[in-house]
Amino acid sequence: AQSVAQPEDQVNVAEGNPLTVKCTYSVSGNPYLFWYVQYPNRGLQFLLKYITGDNLVKGSYGFEAEFNKSQTSFHLKKPSALVSDSALYFCAVRDDTGGFKTIFGAGTRLFVKA
Amino acid sequence: IAGITQAPTSQILAAGRRMTLRCTQDMRHNAMYWYRQDLGLGLRLIHYSNTAGTTGKGEVPDGYSVSRANTDDFPLTLASAVPSQTSVYFCASRGQGADTQYFGPGTRLTVL
Repeated sequence: AQSVAQPEDQVNVAEGNPLTVKCTYSVSGNPYLFWYVQYPNRGLQFLLKYITGDNLVKGSYGFEAEFNKSQTSFHLKKPSALVSDSALYFCAVRDDTGGFKTIFGAGTRLFVKA
Repeated sequence: IAGITQAPTSQILAAGRRMTLRCTQDMRHNAMYWYRQDLGLGLRLIHYSNTAGTTGKGEVPDGYSVSRANTDDFPLTLASAVPSQTSVYFCASRGQGADTQYFGPGTRLTVL
């Protein structure tokens, strides 16, 4: 069965420093992986996705994610964090067992301090 | 309307009452979804619909029902609300052949 795990409930980083939000996945076939962000009192917004191709995927707001097949990871990264990046981040995988559903991780809260 | 709208924004409900959460999208997306978001559990799929006239059960369907009479609307009904259904509910949609989902702003439901 498809699943994703986000091992950190919270990540703290100083503004200007690089950030990483971790995600590992388990799939039976080819992975279709996503990152979404949720700002307070808002719905989720799509950040980026990996379907195939280059292992480094670039997305919105300067974020990127690195797909690593051997480690079954899809970590979200940004070279220089902003206070406005503080939000809840969800890793997700497409469920190919039927219904074209998406399975979300539990989420990681990112705090960026000024 | 632009994107997905949900109503109400928030609601306090007595246990045992019936409640319908509304979701409307204007993007002509075929697929629609209902999730609940609970602390530490992320988003869990309640029900989904791949196209108008069809629905399917997600991970946590018990106590909820949906209908999809047309492309735009996907209401979620709690027939007899219980306190464990206190949550934030998100509706989402996805276009034909697309991978990403678009989310509504959510409905915060409290069942007392």
